[in-house]
Order: sequence, then C-alpha cells, then structure tokens
Amino acid sequence: EPEVTQTPSHQVTQMGQEVILRCVPISNHLYFYWYRQILGQKVEFLVSFYNNEISEKSEIFDDQFSVERPDGSNFTLKIRSTKLEDSAMYFCASNRGMTNEKLFFGSGTQLSVL
Amino acid sequence: GDSVTQMEGPVTLSEEAFLTINCTYTATGYPSLFWYVQYPGEGLQLLLKATKADDKGSNKGFEATYRKETTSFHLEKGSVQVSDSAVYFCALSPANQGAQKLVFGQGTRLTINP
Repeated sequence: EPEVTQTPSHQVTQMGQEVILRCVPISNHLYFYWYRQILGQKVEFLVSFYNNEISEKSEIFDDQFSVERPDGSNFTLKIRSTKLEDSAMYFCASNRGMTNEKLFFGSGTQLSVL
Repeated sequence: GDSVTQMEGPVTLSEEAFLTINCTYTATGYPSLFWYVQYPGEGLQLLLKATKADDKGSNKGFEATYRKETTSFHLEKGSVQVSDSAVYFCALSPANQGAQKLVFGQGTRLTINP
C-alpha cells in the first residue's frame, strides 16, 4: 500500500527557533492534513489543505504556524518561533477527499523544544 | 463541541482473551465513526469504520457497532493475539464534512502477553 512519509522522525530545537516539518503525501491525493499529539493527550487536528490553500484550521493553528506545498510532492508545516508547548508528535496525513474516506497517516515527527 | 471518550489504558491481556475497548462520543447530527490503530514505529492506520447508525464495521477479527441510542462505538475482538499489541484510537468525523477533520479519543494502549 502507498505510504505517507515524514522527515525527520525526531527534531530537537531551541525555544524561539523556526522549524520545518516535512511530509510527502501519497501522489494522487488531493487533501493534506497536519495533526499533533502532545504526550499523554489526544491527537488534535491542526489544519487541512486543498487546492493550494488552507481549507480548514483549528484554533491551535495560529499565526506561528504555516503550511506550504512548495512543489508537486512535498507538504510542509512551519513553526515560526517555537515554544515549549509545541513539543509534540506531529502527524501528516492525506487522502483524495471523498466522503468518509480514511486518512493515510505518516509515522510522525517527534518535535522536542528545549 | 464534538468529543470522543475512550476507556483509560493501558490494557494488558493474555493471548486468546476477549477484548473490549469502550468508546463514547458527543456530536451533533450523525457523525461517521472510526477506529484507528498505531503499531510501534508506524503511523495511524484505519482499522474499521461505520458511517450510519446500526452499521457494524469489521476487520482483522475486530468489530464495532455504531449505537446511536447509547452514542457508543465499542471495539471488540473475540480472541486477541500478541500481534494486536498497539495503541487504538476511536475517532469521529462530524456530519457533512468534506475534508477529514477527525476528532480523536485519547488512545488506549493494548499489550497482549503470550
């Protein structure tokens, strides 16, 4: 089965630094997503992206966050100035956007902000 | 807002034991309901789903029935195997959504001992 790939698997950064998390969605998918899971808490929706623009975002996704599809294959999440509370596992996902279609998730990037 | 509550983990069982992981939800209308599973080192993957009341989702010996009257979607398996050790997430997708803005439960870690 095709896979969503995420890099890096672990990222350590200093508070206040910018980080970019990278994802390669499945090639014929049209919708792209970021979710995150803070340790011990629920997996939370951050943002969905379709047709080169954000289609929906949660209240977590403030001005410090941005997403981009810089070319035909990559989908990135940028955190402009990281805070301690941004430490979490970040999951990228994609699908074709059909009703009730499953999401294909990557294995995640563990972000640690020190 | 919409929410999902799962039974607290971790859950430890012996091989061939019967498994139930409880999941209840709060949502307006008729959401779609999902169980996702995360094996060690991998991303979340869809285990089963149900899109309307009284539907039963099933896969790999696991089953869950969409119960509107009790707002529940409990996961069951008659005889678990060591390979079922994983984290299980109950999730809902709000009614009439195009993109998959999933609302997750907190996850239940399941360990099966031989």
